[in-house]
Amino acid sequence: GENVEQHPSTLSVQEGDSAVIKCTYSDSASNYFPWYKQELGKRPQLIIDIRSNVGEKKDQRIAVTLNKTAKHFSLHITETQPEDSAVYFCAASRTGFQKLVFGTGTRLLVSP
Amino acid sequence: KAGVTQTPRYLIKTRGQQVTLSCSPISGHRSVSWYQQTPGQGLQFLFEYFSETQRNKGNFPGRFSGRQFSNSRSEMNVSTLELGDSALYLCASSLDNSGANVLTFGAGSRLTVL
Repeated sequence: GENVEQHPSTLSVQEGDSAVIKCTYSDSASNYFPWYKQELGKRPQLIIDIRSNVGEKKDQRIAVTLNKTAKHFSLHITETQPEDSAVYFCAASRTGFQKLVFGTGTRLLVSP
Repeated sequence: KAGVTQTPRYLIKTRGQQVTLSCSPISGHRSVSWYQQTPGQGLQFLFEYFSETQRNKGNFPGRFSGRQFSNSRSEMNVSTLELGDSALYLCASSLDNSGANVLTFGAGSRLTVL
């Protein structure tokens, strides 16, 4: 069935370092890949997304890459800051549907 | 404009009871979906509605049901509550189902089953 694997489950970095979170999906029909950030006690918020016709997308310190052949996509955060500390979820879906299949989440801790 | 509004925010029920959760999407959004979030299972898809029609359903027992009204507001119901139903129930809305899947989540309804 549909599945999204996410690694690592926890990631600790020093402020200013880069952080990379990787996801692998199983449904070859997936063509939309969003990333959500969830701070403690708050709702998930979309931080960046990518569609299958694009290999890379960047928004300031955040970038996402997609390898459709390998069914991999990754989130890259550069120059991390303490306020980046949160749980990050990757997800996959097919265009036109709201069903997102989420990864298990990565708890990112950025130490000052 | 107002975001996705979910009510109630917190509720406590006992085993065997039933519960109804409500979701008001962003004004103009016609597509609503529901997710269950637990520490053990993460974020799992429950249902998806567009124009009062259920378009997709997740792998949950029949005790979980939902509906969407003509004003796009949605409700979900869980009957015969079990301890394992304790979770944060999140509603998300999007403009439509034309191809842009950008979902905006509500703050959730935290259900505790005793």
